[in-house]
Amino acid sequence: AQSVTQLGSHVSVSEGALVLLRCNYSSSVPPYLFWYVQYPNQGLQLLLKYTSAATLVKGINGFEAEFKKSETSFHLTKPSAHMSDAAEYFCAVGPNDYKLSFGAGTTVTVRA
Amino acid sequence: DTGVSQDPRHKITKRGQNVTFRCDPISEHNRLYWYRQTLGQGPEFLTYFQNEAQLEKSRLLSDRFSAERPKGSFSTLEIQRTEQGDSAMYLCASSGTKETQYFGPGTRLLVL
Repeated sequence: AQSVTQLGSHVSVSEGALVLLRCNYSSSVPPYLFWYVQYPNQGLQLLLKYTSAATLVKGINGFEAEFKKSETSFHLTKPSAHMSDAAEYFCAVGPNDYKLSFGAGTTVTVRA
Repeated sequence: DTGVSQDPRHKITKRGQNVTFRCDPISEHNRLYWYRQTLGQGPEFLTYFQNEAQLEKSRLLSDRFSAERPKGSFSTLEIQRTEQGDSAMYLCASSGTKETQYFGPGTRLLVL
């Protein structure tokens, strides 16, 4: 079985500051890992995904995530926050690419 | 292509009534997924289709829920005898085989 824990339901950052969203996973098989973003009243949009090709994964909008097997983590970072990054972010894990288990989400607010 | 679409976007119904939601996937995608998202939680996998075949169903999908994809294109999700606990956002996603899932905007259901 697979599960995801996102540490921190809310994160507040200043514009231009580092964004760090934490995700720890549990998986009985080599995992597929994803980060999605959800803006209000919209569906989820894929930011990036890990499928064992490289441990540092670069995504859209300047986000990247690092897969650390020893720590069972897949934390999401962005060096410099922008106001448009305010949204809810979900980490997801799956034994494959179709049956995903999502975390509870982290809401990011960006202060001017 | 305009992406995954869902109809209706909002539905208010009384307890005990039946409701049906529709999802139109991206046209060339052979896989279609349904998820449920309750307030403050991430999406939970309900079921998925490859073409017209329903290949997996979650234990969350009780006997009151049924999903179809009759011609391998659009899909419907029906909830019979709705209960207040069914109130949630119902998300549809589609993908090609072994590809990223693209999500629709969701149908928000409120059962009174």
